[in-house]
Amino acid sequence: DGGITQSPKYLFRKEGQNVTLSCEQNLNHDAMYWYRQDPGQGLRLIYYSQIVNDFQKGDIAEGYSVSREKKESFPLTVTSAQKNPTAFYLCASSIGRRTDTQYFGPGTRLTVL
Amino acid sequence: AQSVTQLGSHVSVSEGALVLLRCNYSSSVPPYLFWYVQYPNQGLQLLLKYTTGATLVKGINGFEAEFKKSETSFHLTKPSAHMSDAAEYFCAVSAGYGGSQGNLIFGKGTKLSVKP
Repeated sequence: DGGITQSPKYLFRKEGQNVTLSCEQNLNHDAMYWYRQDPGQGLRLIYYSQIVNDFQKGDIAEGYSVSREKKESFPLTVTSAQKNPTAFYLCASSIGRRTDTQYFGPGTRLTVL
Repeated sequence: AQSVTQLGSHVSVSEGALVLLRCNYSSSVPPYLFWYVQYPNQGLQLLLKYTTGATLVKGINGFEAEFKKSETSFHLTKPSAHMSDAAEYFCAVSAGYGGSQGNLIFGKGTKLSVKP
């Protein structure tokens, strides 16, 4: 089955720790995206990548980092510089044109202890 | 620049009643518009989208939306609500051309409750 997988589903982090969220897709999509979701805030774009080995900051990139070494994979690291990381994180992918649907993974809920 | 406004963060309807979720957009280029649904603790799923052609778009689960350029609106409707429609709904518009052309700008969402 084609789709997007995110792991883990739940993640707990102590203050001062970096954590990495996994996102893998087998849809052969060029573009991948990371969003943060907070109650009442909608989806806010953290980083996006239109092609392998290239990525761009979104609206709220501070305290986050990404890599795109393979077409299928777009991991997100939440660093200790992110002051309020508790949120629901969603990964998506698309072909990358304006008309294209973004397909979403099931999400990772990160909680800082 | 592109933006989306969803009117009403919470909407409550009775089972069998009409569902109307409002979305207004702003776009400096011809807009492509999307509606997504999210069930609790899950990812988003596409309901329908407007790109070109017919302005009345039909989607999954009996939902439809009409693109009205003069009103800059893309409201989502369903004639008869089911309990299973209870979820959060997001309207989105495509970004402009260039390096971010595949990006979507999302509204803040409308949570739909369905009363028995």
